[in-house]
Formats: sequence, structure tokens, C-alpha cells
Amino acid sequence: AQTIHQWPVAEIKAVGSPLSLGCTIKGKSSPNLYWYWQATGGTLQQLFYSITVGQVESVVQLNLSASRPKDDQFILSTEKLLLSHSGFYLCAWSPENSDYTFGSGTRLLVI
Amino acid sequence: GQQVQQSPASLVLQEGENAELQCNFSSTATRLQWFYQRPGGSLVSLLSNPSGTKHTGRLTSTTVTKERRGSLHISSSQITDSGTYLCAMTTNTGKLTFGDGTVLTVKP
Repeated sequence: AQTIHQWPVAEIKAVGSPLSLGCTIKGKSSPNLYWYWQATGGTLQQLFYSITVGQVESVVQLNLSASRPKDDQFILSTEKLLLSHSGFYLCAWSPENSDYTFGSGTRLLVI
Repeated sequence: GQQVQQSPASLVLQEGENAELQCNFSSTATRLQWFYQRPGGSLVSLLSNPSGTKHTGRLTSTTVTKERRGSLHISSSQITDSGTYLCAMTTNTGKLTFGDGTVLTVKP
């Protein structure tokens, strides 16, 4: 069975500090991977997607970047956090044109 | 405009009543997927179907792709059903787009 693991569970970070969020998929080779973000009280938005190692497409510009260094790993990062980066970050995977499965998410508070 | 619109925004029921949640979408969707969002934010996938009707337990999802609408029916609602229900559509590019959600409150 496939499992999806996100880390950390929660973070409190200062404005201007760097950030790295991770996501690992086990039990599935070459999954399509996605990062989603939800501001408090807001709608889930897709930020990035990746269909293969080393290839990442940006959907929404939020001064964030994403990388896929391994087949089963998706990283979301920035060198300088903004207050507007606060929210809930979800990683997801899907087989092509099929249902999405989401991780448990990372809650980020930027102060 | 918003690609996925959910209604109502909020719904209050007495325990045992049925709930009907609506979802309308503006683009050609290949499937609708319904999620329950836990208070902590994580998502639970409930039902997904490209068209027609699908059941699981007390949940029934109906998608009418040609009319760009779908619905989630919850029968005999329970207090533990309270929370946010999200409708999301998948397009032929594989992108999943969410609605704003329906907040369901079931009272004893």
C-alpha cells in the first residue's frame, strides 16, 4: 500500500528565515506529486506539480520553490519567509488522471 | 471566475436529518472528488466518480458531467459528520481544483 509522509507537522518561523518542507511517497514508483497551500479560512490552491524526477512546474507564484530530488521525494522551500506564507501546506500524489491522495499536512505560522 | 462553486456555504442540521451538498464547476471536468477536511486541516477522500452515482455507507455522490454539477448526499446525519466538505474537480490536464467548501454542523 502507498503511504505519504509529510514533515514537519508544524513550524513557527520568523519573517525572513528560510523554510524547507518535505514529502515522501512510499510504495509507488514515478507518482505525480503536488504541493497545495491553504491560507487560514481560504481555499486550497495548487502551488507546484511534478511528473518526474528533476522536473517541477509552478502553478501559483508565492515566492516559493519546489524540487524533486528523488522519485519519491518532493521538497517545498524558500530562502526568505513572508507573513503571507502562513497557512497549511499539503502534499499529494495521484496516478495519472485518477484520484488524489493527500498527506497529513504541515501547519506554518510566520511571525 | 471561480471554477468550482459549492453551496450552501454552511448548513445546520438536527441529528438524523439528511444533507445535500452541491458542487458546480465551470470547466470540463473528468471527475469530481469529495473530501472531508478535519479540523486540523488534513483531508479524507470520501468519494470520487467521473459520472453517475456512487455509494459508500451513508454517502452518495452523483456527478452529471454534461451539466457541470455534482452533489454529495449524507443520509441520517450524525454529530460526528460535522466539519468541512470539499468538492474538487479534475480536468483532463490532471489538475485538481477545489471549491471553498461547505461547513456542516450537526446538532443533537
